[in-house]
Amino acid sequence: SQKIEQNSEALNIQEGKTATLTCNYTNYSPAYLQWYRQDPGRGPVFLLLIRENEKEKRKERLKVTFDTTLKQSLFHITASQPADSATYLCALISGGYNKLIFGAGTRLAVHP
Amino acid sequence: SAVISQKPSRDICQRGTSLTIQCQVDSQVTMMFWYRQQPGQSLTLIATANQGSEATYESGFVIDKFPISRPNLTFSTLTVSNMSPEDSSIYLCSVEESRETQYFGPGTRLLVL
Repeated sequence: SQKIEQNSEALNIQEGKTATLTCNYTNYSPAYLQWYRQDPGRGPVFLLLIRENEKEKRKERLKVTFDTTLKQSLFHITASQPADSATYLCALISGGYNKLIFGAGTRLAVHP
Repeated sequence: SAVISQKPSRDICQRGTSLTIQCQVDSQVTMMFWYRQQPGQSLTLIATANQGSEATYESGFVIDKFPISRPNLTFSTLTVSNMSPEDSSIYLCSVEESRETQYFGPGTRLLVL
């Protein structure tokens, strides 16, 4: 069956450290994968997209990698700040139109 | 990026009643999407709504339970009909601004007693 898996346990890190979140998928062949941030009581906010032919994408303190052999994407936040605390969702496109399939998300808590 | 608003932001409803959720976008968009996010769960697509055509429902969701209207390119409604406590969830609309990006509304938090 098709699955997208993110670590359900919260990730707790100290301010200034690099946070690394994992997204694994099975039985999909996505053309690209997206990462979103969701704060409590709010809708997801788009952060980054990485295509299947891209190994790495960066945006400011964010870095995403995409390994289609391992069927895995890693999401890194460098020099993390308490304001980065949120739930981070990965999503991939399935089907011929933009139907997004979401992982359950990983909650990140950055402590001062 | 598109700015999306939803009404109501939250509601508490009685079993057996219906609630209509509105989604308003500040620009014209072709595709709008309705998602459900149950507590602690991922977002699940309910249906895709294109202006001028019937909504396309995902497996497990039916029009009788979740009728959708899309009267123009900036507005859509989702009705949750004959509600039960299992319908308690956050309902989100999103729009596709490019083929690779979706923008989400703030969500409607629904509690059914």
